Amino acid sequence: AQSVTQLGSHVSVSEGALVLLRCNYSSSVPPYLFWYVQYPNQGLQLLLKYTTGATLVKGINGFEAEFKKSETSFHLTKPSAHMSDAAEYFCAVSVPGGYNKLIFGAGTRLAVHP
Amino acid sequence: GAVVSQHPSWVICKSGTSVKIECRSLDFQATTMFWYRQFPKQSLMLMATSNEGSKATYEQGVEKDKFLINHASLTLSTLTVTSAHPEDSSFYICSATSSGTSGRGYNEQFFGPGTRLTVL
Repeated sequence: AQSVTQLGSHVSVSEGALVLLRCNYSSSVPPYLFWYVQYPNQGLQLLLKYTTGATLVKGINGFEAEFKKSETSFHLTKPSAHMSDAAEYFCAVSVPGGYNKLIFGAGTRLAVHP
Repeated sequence: GAVVSQHPSWVICKSGTSVKIECRSLDFQATTMFWYRQFPKQSLMLMATSNEGSKATYEQGVEKDKFLINHASLTLSTLTVTSAHPEDSSFYICSATSSGTSGRGYNEQFFGPGTRLTVL
């Protein structure tokens, strides 16, 4: 069975500082990995995904994540935080094939202060 | 990009009534649709997976007789909360995915904006 652990339910950074949101996964087969962002009272928007190939994945809004199989991690980073990055971030894992069912982590709320 | 809509965006109903939520894929054929439930400040919990023309597959602990899902076409799935009670109040989100032949990236689920249900 697959599972996702997001370390830190709340992360607070200063505007312009590095953003690091941690995600570790558990999967018995090579997984697909995703990061989504959710703004209040809205659905989810895909930031980036890893399926196969290059382990460093670049997404929208300057975010990127690196798949590290040895560490079973898929941490999300952004070099310089903007106020508009304040939102809830979810890491998710999916098993290839089937119906691409997603298993979500508990989420990390990112706060950006001036 | 791929767009998924939900209707209504919010609904308030009395306890004991039934509420129907629609999920539509606007510019692609959704072979599979998913329904999630999200409580305040919590993650998304998958409720069920539906495939066009077949019965939905419910996750463990989800009452299939309470949460009726119909996926009648490749662009529409509905979730009906029957005999709603205050504990059913939540944010319901659908997502849709297509097969690889559609060219929409078969690994990706496209999410609707969500429906907030409040049961009084």
